Amino acid sequence: EAAVTQSPRNKVAVTGGKVTLSCNQTNNHNNMYWYRQDTGHGLRLIHYSYGAGSTEKGDIPDGYKASRPSQENFSLILELATPSQTSVYFCASGEGLGVYEQYFGPGTRLTVL
Amino acid sequence: AQKVTQTQTSISVMEKTTVTMDCVYETQDSSYFLFWYKQTASGEIVFLIRQDSYKKENATVGHYSLNFQKPKSSIGLIITATQIEDSAVYFCAMRASGGNYKPTFGKGTSLVVHP
Repeated sequence: EAAVTQSPRNKVAVTGGKVTLSCNQTNNHNNMYWYRQDTGHGLRLIHYSYGAGSTEKGDIPDGYKASRPSQENFSLILELATPSQTSVYFCASGEGLGVYEQYFGPGTRLTVL
Repeated sequence: AQKVTQTQTSISVMEKTTVTMDCVYETQDSSYFLFWYKQTASGEIVFLIRQDSYKKENATVGHYSLNFQKPKSSIGLIITATQIEDSAVYFCAMRASGGNYKPTFGKGTSLVVHP
């Protein structure tokens, strides 16, 4: 069974603080993705990666950085968190061995005060 | 640039009936994948079904099937014999099948199945 885990599951941060969201996959998929989900907007792509060492900008990358140190791990970094980044963040993995769809993690609820 | 549009924000049906959810897409790519995902009330997002653009046959998985109309850039999701547990938000998505793996999602359609 495909497995994508995220940590933390819930996070409260202060404006201007640094936040790191972590994602781990045991699927051996090549690609990983970070999305945010807000009411009325569906899933919006922030950053994605084709493999270790690579990161690509998605549709809404401003204010976010990403890091892919290994095949299994993909982090989303908010260097200076703002209240507008309050959202639910989903990580996903995909691609490899005939897999074209994405497998999602359980999500992280981030509140920036 | 890719674009995916789901015009139905919410649908309400009675249990055991058939429902169709609409999705239209825009792409410059000649070969692409189309996907449907389901998000349950708990927030979990799961992959349901995929259609490859070069295939003429509509994909079917369990009680999910697709109505792929390539000339209309349309990929409808059909759920037959709906069950209460089909109540969820359904997302349509796409990406090119080669080179650029950037996916694009629609905004989702909320389905409520009544007993």
